[in-house]
Amino acid sequence: DSGVTQTPKHLITATGQRVTLRCSPRSGDLSVYWYQQSLDQGLQFLIQYYNGEERAKGNILERFSAQQFPDLHSELNLSSLELGDSALYFCASSVSSGLAPYNEQFFGPGTRLTVL
Amino acid sequence: AQTVTQSQPEMSVQEAETVTLSCTYDTSENNYYLFWYKQPPSRQMILVIRQEAYKQQNATENRFSVNFQKAAKSFSLKISDSQLGDTAMYFCAFAETQGGSEKLVFGKGTKLTVNP
Repeated sequence: DSGVTQTPKHLITATGQRVTLRCSPRSGDLSVYWYQQSLDQGLQFLIQYYNGEERAKGNILERFSAQQFPDLHSELNLSSLELGDSALYFCASSVSSGLAPYNEQFFGPGTRLTVL
Repeated sequence: AQTVTQSQPEMSVQEAETVTLSCTYDTSENNYYLFWYKQPPSRQMILVIRQEAYKQQNATENRFSVNFQKAAKSFSLKISDSQLGDTAMYFCAFAETQGGSEKLVFGKGTKLTVNP
């Protein structure tokens, strides 16, 4: 158990709908990362938040958005869903204290999204 | 942009034997980190081993070791005494540490099967 929790585990929805994926980082971790794992694109970085602020953006579609709340949990919002959005969405967290050159990311169990 | 290439989509090995998974990467950075992640059928992402680019010594973790060739931008994973529990997808990943983001760039993965 990495200490990172993600809900829900599975999500089945229809095209055109909107969903919200939730992530709670490990206690003390300030950074949250979102990754998408699909058959077509593999594992891709979407976005990073650090202590409530967006820090880095990857290949995230305009239909997707994220935020990190004061209690440090994060939500990834996916709207106008398409069949191709079906994927496993991972959240990871790290300390990102700046004291070390690199801080290990700990991955949650993922949310499997199926768009029908 | 950084890229990570894993040229072996699938590999198999007999239990107790040794197998090497290949990975090459492309970057113009001098300071970075390299990782091998394991993803078993449970889909959990598990860090196997990490290598700091500034370290010449190859990292080892029990039965897992790497061959890091910085000039060639090569980073292979050797698994000794393979066990049935090593059956999984293995992802090579890269992280740079500039700009405050520690996002990971992943290869497409190698599916490893350990046969009894």
